[in-house]
Amino acid sequence: QKEVEQDPGPLSVPEGAIVSLNCTYSNSAFQYFMWYRQYSRKGPELLMYTYSSGNKEDGRFTAQVDKSSKYISLFIRDSQPSDSATYLCAMSASSGYSTLTFGKGTMLLVSP
Amino acid sequence: GAVVSQHPSRVICKSGTSVKIECRSLDFQATTMFWYRQFPKQSLMLMATSNEGSKATYEQGVEKDKFLINHASLTLSTLTVTSAHPEDSSFYICSAPKAGANEQFFGPGTRLTVL
Repeated sequence: QKEVEQDPGPLSVPEGAIVSLNCTYSNSAFQYFMWYRQYSRKGPELLMYTYSSGNKEDGRFTAQVDKSSKYISLFIRDSQPSDSATYLCAMSASSGYSTLTFGKGTMLLVSP
Repeated sequence: GAVVSQHPSRVICKSGTSVKIECRSLDFQATTMFWYRQFPKQSLMLMATSNEGSKATYEQGVEKDKFLINHASLTLSTLTVTSAHPEDSSFYICSAPKAGANEQFFGPGTRLTVL
């Protein structure tokens, strides 16, 4: 079993839809959970950063962490064509200087 | 925020040659930098941790004699792919944590194509 599992997609939705992206993990030591957005041939950019369990909201984005189930989610409301990208979940046991373990990434396509 | 740059953004080379990729933290000092490799439709895989003034730490399965890392200053780490072969063709990305921040800041990546 891989440490982090993420459905690669692609996930195709119409503009305005609510998008749900998910990852599961097996390492109970993970405490910090991140979602990155990566456009084609570009480096990842951080979207959401969450410590331990709970929800975090930032504009159209909501991140949820359920450590008891080892399951994290990213919700995107009112999706836009500009949201079309690959979304990577990442996690680490400690912050900042700790190594990150990434999911494979889910490709999202939002059609106008 | 913080900015990390990489140079070159893209390189094409012949098999057997060596290629150097630079990773720079532009507006902060980075005692640690991470090097990742990403194959098409695959995740970022950590290759090594670069530490300023000391030897890099390589992940299992990564050949340290093939992927030479030098962290010569607090703002620059270099990855040299020696005797590159077509199977080394990949997207190489660096990241750096910034003191006082929880996150790592990623560079834009370098696409290496070995013919």
